[in-house]
Amino acid sequence: DAGITQSPRHKVTETGTPVTLRCHQTENHRYMYWYRQDPGHGLRLIHYSYGVKDTDKGEVSDGYSVSRSKTEDFLLTLESATSSQTSVYFCAITSDSLGEQYFGPGTRLTVT
Amino acid sequence: GENVEQHPSTLSVQEGDSAVIKCTYSDSASNYFPWYKQELGKRPQLIIDIRSNVGEKKDQRIAVTLNKTAKHFSLHITETQPEDSAVYFCAASISGNKLTFGGGTRVLVKP
Repeated sequence: DAGITQSPRHKVTETGTPVTLRCHQTENHRYMYWYRQDPGHGLRLIHYSYGVKDTDKGEVSDGYSVSRSKTEDFLLTLESATSSQTSVYFCAITSDSLGEQYFGPGTRLTVT
Repeated sequence: GENVEQHPSTLSVQEGDSAVIKCTYSDSASNYFPWYKQELGKRPQLIIDIRSNVGEKKDQRIAVTLNKTAKHFSLHITETQPEDSAVYFCAASISGNKLTFGGGTRVLVKP
């Protein structure tokens, strides 16, 4: 599983509250990603990082911010959660050696 | 940006038959095309991939073909088994980064 963990694995929060999801990897891969998965929409890229402090937006970045202060950690923050952000969030890495992308176990977020 | 279309959205096959899923992409610069299998409640798992310098790749019962001219690629599963039941996603990217996914195909293998 490419040494990827996500925390928390499940979270229920109320509309308007801030939420931070954490992705941790143990193999020092350069590229890290956050996707969301919703029925009927497949997997959509929110933000990605190509190194410490280097991040960029994906196709559905509105309402989300990210930070990467260390190679191993990539944080996704919902500044003020909305019900439309109820989803399953997957972190992923691209293997520096193989060029293949592997996913973390996912975080199920429910915004009530 | 890249756009990936995947068909069919659902596929029901009899055990032992073959299953074929097709994807088209829009960006001619894309050169990496992975396929993922996702079981209910689990993470997507990479099952096979192909790069643009190759036309076909096989791994046991699964194979992927790529037609760069037509900008489409396909997943073939032969001798399907009940454990092949899952949702399959195709994706396209340039050099393995920033994957753009198709909408997914739910495959049901009936015993």
